[in-house]
Amino acid sequence: DTAVSQTPKYLVTQMGNDKSIKCEQNLGHDTMYWYKQDSKKFLKIMFSYNNKELIINETVPNRFSPKSPDKAHLNLHINSLELGDSAVYFCASSNPYSGLREKLFFGSGTQLSVL
Amino acid sequence: GENVEQHPSTLSVQEGDSAVIKCTYSDSASNYFPWYKQELGKRPQLIIDIRSNVGEKKDQRIAVTLNKTAKHFSLHITETQPEDSAVYFCAASNPQGNTPLVFGKGTRLSVIA
Repeated sequence: DTAVSQTPKYLVTQMGNDKSIKCEQNLGHDTMYWYKQDSKKFLKIMFSYNNKELIINETVPNRFSPKSPDKAHLNLHINSLELGDSAVYFCASSNPYSGLREKLFFGSGTQLSVL
Repeated sequence: GENVEQHPSTLSVQEGDSAVIKCTYSDSASNYFPWYKQELGKRPQLIIDIRSNVGEKKDQRIAVTLNKTAKHFSLHITETQPEDSAVYFCAASNPQGNTPLVFGKGTRLSVIA
């Protein structure tokens, strides 16, 4: 009954490959996010979706393409993986229609290692 | 856009002592300031937050203070325990402006028993 779940937990792949990370939340939230945490632990937002619509797209290479089939899911597809993509990717969600709209609930993270 | 600076980057304290982590922000429209704790290998979790209409908030051993004029806010942990050891992140946002949470670079706190 995990609130925000993402898979896989670990992903090891070769440069140039294409990979996807999946995220699902069962909290009934309308807003979902992808954050990237680099080796220095810096948390940086990549994308935000509200009810399947893209609302925030920070300066992320277009090799990264988020997809939200419904408001409970936000997947991240990465094409032509590069060494610099190695990081922990966190999915998160929040409910903009409650008094806690800004409170982020994070998934457990996906550690991506590009060799 | 918003820029959040956080200091120090690392902090070691003796068990039972207090720890203080400070953050500054740049966007005067920001009005929500949460603090997240991330234990090793785990996800960040919200521990306390403050909105711009109050200057201080306390929850047991942790407290946060906000100075909107100076654009800085601080996390105070009293009577530290080994389980407080983690990376702590401050953040700022203007939810009404639909701006995302912008995080500071984190403070690695080590509580030495």
